[in-house]
Amino acid sequence: DAKTTQPPSMDCAEGRAANLPCNHSTISGNEYVYWYRQIHSQGPQYIIHGLKNNETNEMASLIITEDRKSSTLILPHATLRDTAVYYCIVGTYKYIFGTGTRLKVLA
Amino acid sequence: ETGVTQTPRHLVMGMTNKKSLKCEQHLGHNAMYWYKQSAKKPLELMFVYSLEERVENNSVPSRFSPECPNSSHLFLHLHTLQPEDSALYLCASSQQTGDGYTFGSGTRLTVV
Repeated sequence: DAKTTQPPSMDCAEGRAANLPCNHSTISGNEYVYWYRQIHSQGPQYIIHGLKNNETNEMASLIITEDRKSSTLILPHATLRDTAVYYCIVGTYKYIFGTGTRLKVLA
Repeated sequence: ETGVTQTPRHLVMGMTNKKSLKCEQHLGHNAMYWYKQSAKKPLELMFVYSLEERVENNSVPSRFSPECPNSSHLFLHLHTLQPEDSALYLCASSQQTGDGYTFGSGTRLTVV
């Protein structure tokens, strides 16, 4: 079973920040938090990952709580092309995918 | 293209056929993975290869047979499949087990 819990769906207005939460209360000390997204019928696309510290790249920011039991993926200025299913995964080499959050960006 | 290429993109096969799915990466990665995604279900991990050795087999039926001849290529050999095996089959690779994956675009398999 997946070790993460995510809301099944979210809406976000175009141009606004999309904040996607993830709970991973049973995360182990050596497990990373990864985020991927999947646009309909394509392979998942890597977004970002982190261990303890907050991370930022050209796509998104990842905020991990100090106790590492939850995290938030932030898309700073959502566009229509960000509409996808977003997966939060914790692990080392073996990824167990959950059902993710279906993000819909609205014009 | 992501750097992980899967062929064919679409495949229709009968239940008595034998076919193979191919995955190729030239990213210098040394771990490769097969996932299955059925309609409206999460991705299911099938097989994990690290340095060309199978390190994970998640109770996959023997009608699916993986092969990893070198670190750049991964195959999934299919025989006597069932209609419920129809799904999107995704290949992924990573630099080493524990790093982020790069996924291919998948093979859409239909068993008739």
